[in-house]
Amino acid sequence: QKEVEQNSGPLSVPEGAIASLNCTYSDRGSQSFFWYRQYSGKSPELIMSIYSNGDKEDGRFTAQLNKASQYVSLLIRDSQPSDSATYLCAVNYGGSQGNLIFGKGTKLSVKP
Amino acid sequence: DGGITQSPKYLFRKEGQNVTLSCEQNLNHDAMYWYRQDPGQGLRLIYYSQIVNDFQKGDIAEGYSVSREKKESFPLTVTSAQKNPTAFYLCASSFGSNQPQHFGDGTRLSIL
Repeated sequence: QKEVEQNSGPLSVPEGAIASLNCTYSDRGSQSFFWYRQYSGKSPELIMSIYSNGDKEDGRFTAQLNKASQYVSLLIRDSQPSDSATYLCAVNYGGSQGNLIFGKGTKLSVKP
Repeated sequence: DGGITQSPKYLFRKEGQNVTLSCEQNLNHDAMYWYRQDPGQGLRLIYYSQIVNDFQKGDIAEGYSVSREKKESFPLTVTSAQKNPTAFYLCASSFGSNQPQHFGDGTRLSIL
C-alpha cells in the first residue's frame, strides 16, 4: 500500500518565524512531489513542485527532498497569518497513470 | 483566463436520485481527475482519465460514473448506489503523468 504520511498538527508558530512541515512516503519509486495549500472551505492550490534531491526555493517557500530517506519537507520563512491553512503533501509514484497520493495534511496556524 | 470550472458550487441530492457534477477545463490538459474529500481526510481518487474516451476507476469508484467525450469536459455522476455522498468533490487536471495537478473550486454535495 503506497502511503504518504504527515503530522496532522495543528502546528502553531508566531508571526515572522519559520514553519517546517514534513512528509514521508513509502515507495522508493516515487518520482515527483508536490505541496498544496488548502484554506478552510476552499480547494487545494499548488505552491511547490520538486523532482530531484535537494532544495528548491520560491519566494518565502523552500521545498526539500531526500529520496534516500523518503522524506520531503516545506519551509515557510517569515510566516504570516495569511499562511494559516492546511498543507497537503502529494507524491506521484510514477508509471503511466500519473496518479497522486495525498497525505491528510498538516494544519498550520500563524499567530500574530 | 485559463482554469478549471466546477458547477454547481452547492448541490443537494434527494433519496434515490442521481446527480451530475460538471467539470470543464480550458488549460489544454490531457488528464482529468475526480477526488472526494471528507472532513479530516485526505483526497481520495474516484476516477481519472488520461485521454478522451478512456477512463479508469480510482480507489473509491463504487456508486459513481464518469464520461470523457471531450478533452475539456469530465462530468461525474453520483448515483443512488452511493449511500454516503455527502462530501466536497474536487476536479483536477494536468498535462499528464508526473505533472502537477490543478484543482477547480469544488462542489459541496449534501443529502436532503
